[in-house]
Amino acid sequence: GENVEQHPSTLSVQEGDSAVIKCTYSDSASNYFPWYKQELGKRPQLIIDIRSNVGEKKDQRIAVTLNKTAKHFSLHITETQPEDSAVYFCAASKNNNFNKFYFGSGTKLNVKP
Amino acid sequence: EAGVAQSPRYKIIEKRQSVAFWCNPISGHATLYWYQQILGQGPKLLIQFQNNGVVDDSQLPKDRFSAERLKGVDSTLKIQPAKLEDSAVYLCASSFGTSGITSNEQFFGPGTRLTVL
Repeated sequence: GENVEQHPSTLSVQEGDSAVIKCTYSDSASNYFPWYKQELGKRPQLIIDIRSNVGEKKDQRIAVTLNKTAKHFSLHITETQPEDSAVYFCAASKNNNFNKFYFGSGTKLNVKP
Repeated sequence: EAGVAQSPRYKIIEKRQSVAFWCNPISGHATLYWYQQILGQGPKLLIQFQNNGVVDDSQLPKDRFSAERLKGVDSTLKIQPAKLEDSAVYLCASSFGTSGITSNEQFFGPGTRLTVL
């Protein structure tokens, strides 16, 4: 099955700085890569996703890049704000009827004001 | 649109007791997932339903865990008997569940935090 590894496990940045979280996956058939944000005590919520037919996707301060050859993808948050503090999870999936997600272990991001 | 609903939000039981969790997915979502999220870890899939059929239960400890989705809508997850290591947040999620649909997004419920003493 798929194995998703995520680094770092914790990340502390100063407000206004950029944050980068990296994930690798093992199954070359995976073609959908979502990122979820989970605030303390709350449900995971999708913040951005990317499919394997594109290399980069941006949404305001958030971007995701994908390198299919190397089987890794990254989340980039620019101009970080204290409200970005949360745990971020990456996942990998195949776009089929089963839509099974394999999650990384999470990155706790702390943005210091 | 209304989100995924779960109840209860919190549950404390003693080991060897039984517990059940309930999930109501987003209307129209064919696929329903139950995840176990242990503190400090990512969600781990326990079981996946497509309508009322089981698609994947390879990670479900079947000697103590069971789940059903009888009418293809609501679902219940049961643990009997509970062990200390079952302490976790149990998340329910749903998605459209059909390939080719523009969104694969899984929508999560608020979870049930289970503490086994």
